[in-house]
Amino acid sequence: DGGITQSPKYLFRKEGQNVTLSCEQNLNHDAMYWYRQDPGQGLRLIYYSQIVNDFQKGDIAEGYSVSREKKESFPLTVTSAQKNPTAFYLCASSIGTGSAYEQYFGPGTRLTVT
Amino acid sequence: LAKTTQPISMDSYEGQEVNITCSHNNIATNDYITWYQQFPSQGPRFIIQGYKTKVTNEVASLFIPADRKSSTLSLPRVSLSDTAVYYCLVGFTSGTYKYIFGTGTRLKVLA
Repeated sequence: DGGITQSPKYLFRKEGQNVTLSCEQNLNHDAMYWYRQDPGQGLRLIYYSQIVNDFQKGDIAEGYSVSREKKESFPLTVTSAQKNPTAFYLCASSIGTGSAYEQYFGPGTRLTVT
Repeated sequence: LAKTTQPISMDSYEGQEVNITCSHNNIATNDYITWYQQFPSQGPRFIIQGYKTKVTNEVASLFIPADRKSSTLSLPRVSLSDTAVYYCLVGFTSGTYKYIFGTGTRLKVLA
């Protein structure tokens, strides 16, 4: 069954701790993305990766880091430098980058930092 | 700065046709327009995509005028299960490639 998995669905952390969100896809897609969504808001791009070992900052990359060591995996680390990390985080993938390619989204991880 | 604009919310009754418009004044020549549907606490799901004129699939139609500065998603005969937030996604190229999701339109379908 092909798709994108994100784990865990809910995550709770204390302020000042780094936390890593998992994203795995078995669609054989080259491109992967991380978005942040705040209550009642649209999606904002954090990072995207066009290919293994390459990634680019999106609109709100400050306080976040990513790696792309394998085609299937694109983990996102929310660092203690992110001033307001509580949000719903969505991972997506597509065959390639460019607006002609449909993005497939995972179920999301809701992160709460107190 | 490139941006997209959609109505914040819309109400409709079951069985009616719903049209949601997205404005994207600075769309690039080669960019496509894609619409997604999102239910609460879920990831968005692809609905339809187009470049110009009209595209139709089994769930929706997409109308794009010649100047491509806007697009209209049309949902025929909506049902209660169509209650969701609808986003348009347009790729903008300004130096580094960017993806700009619209603000989203919250559609509520009433019985």
